[in-house]
Amino acid sequence: ELKVEQNPLFLSMQEGKNYTIYCNYSTTSDRLYWYRQDPGKSLESLFVLLSNGAVKQEGRLMASLDTKARLSTLHITAAVHDLSATYFCAVEAYNNDMRFGAGTRLTVKP
Amino acid sequence: GAVVSQHPSRVICKSGTSVKIECRSLDFQATTMFWYRQFPKQSLMLMATSNEGSKATYEQGVEKDKFLINHASLTLSTLTVTSAHPEDSSFYICSAREAGGGYGYTFGSGTRLTVV
Repeated sequence: ELKVEQNPLFLSMQEGKNYTIYCNYSTTSDRLYWYRQDPGKSLESLFVLLSNGAVKQEGRLMASLDTKARLSTLHITAAVHDLSATYFCAVEAYNNDMRFGAGTRLTVKP
Repeated sequence: GAVVSQHPSRVICKSGTSVKIECRSLDFQATTMFWYRQFPKQSLMLMATSNEGSKATYEQGVEKDKFLINHASLTLSTLTVTSAHPEDSSFYICSAREAGGGYGYTFGSGTRLTVV
């Protein structure tokens, strides 16, 4: 069974600081997704990573994928308050469904 | 881009009644749709995979008779919560991927179900 572990679960940052969220998964997969969820809302797609070594960046967020280590990271650069949300990684299983990590609740403080 | 419409966004129902949630792909065809449940401050848990024209595949521990899924067309899947109880109160989210390939999943806006 595909398992996805995400850490940390809670992250409190000060504005302007950098930090990384980690996502480990248990079986081979070539597709990893990062989502953002605001309170009471559905998921907003951030990144889709499809191959080993893939790196994507959007604004202050950068995601990478190492399929050999079964690890993806979401790096936050110079955090701002607007980035406060819950971030989920998700891995596509063999039957095309997705398994989600537990989520990282990010709070960026002034 | 691809859009998935989910209705209703919020629903309150009495215990023992049934509630239907619709998930529509507006500008693409989806042979497969997924239904998730999310409890407060928790992650999304896959409930079932909905396949157009065939029976849904339920995850272990999900009651098939309680959560009825119908995927009658390439653009519509419905989830019916039958004989709802307060413990069924949750946030339900559907997702879909375009038929014929592609790698992006599009999520609906979610349905907040409260059973009183």
